[in-house]
Amino acid sequence: EIVLTQSPGSLSLSPGERATLSCGASQSVTSSYIAWYQQKPGQAPRLLIYGASIRATGIPDRFSGSGSGTDFTLTIRRLDPEDFAVYYCQLYGDSPMYRFGQGTTVEI
Amino acid sequence: QVQLVQSGAEVKKPGASVRLSCEASGFTFTSSYIHWVRQTPEQGLEWMGIISPIAGTTDYAPKFQGRITITRDTSSTTAYMEVSSLTSEDTAVYYCVRDLGVAGDYWGQGTLVTVS
Repeated sequence: EIVLTQSPGSLSLSPGERATLSCGASQSVTSSYIAWYQQKPGQAPRLLIYGASIRATGIPDRFSGSGSGTDFTLTIRRLDPEDFAVYYCQLYGDSPMYRFGQGTTVEI
Repeated sequence: QVQLVQSGAEVKKPGASVRLSCEASGFTFTSSYIHWVRQTPEQGLEWMGIISPIAGTTDYAPKFQGRITITRDTSSTTAYMEVSSLTSEDTAVYYCVRDLGVAGDYWGQGTLVTVS
């Protein structure tokens, strides 16, 4: 069973800084099936990136995704105050159809 | 606009069942898939199952097989999930999620189920 491991567990940064979040898969996966979500307290997750690097509708271009094989990255180019949240990577696969990482908290 | 509106919070006793609903609007219900995902502090985000509204076919995570049933009503564009034999470990926020084939692009607001 493929396991997604996110690192770091938390990241303390200031507005305007760059955030780099990692998601490692326990075996090679198809990048088409990697997504990233943002979740703020009391809200549902929000799709940011799918297909490893394609921004979802309405997502600012300061968010970018990259990677292949077992290593994937979400980069937030210049942190906006509204970007402080928890970020999850996800693998869309066979069964279970969704696998999620444990999340990375980006905090001020 | 795309909306998934879920039913309200529930409090259940251990051993009981709960039926959650997810009313879809703003898109063609039968052209999507609907997933159910739950979230707990301990387990994080867990995928539970999926339904194809057009076909009515379902797939469940092995962990929940036999204990959940996902259905839909195309006339009311609503998906349902029933969870039986509840325990305290089922206390969670349950989300329905629209998927057009690659990821969950719209999520419901979540339903808190408390088992106590």
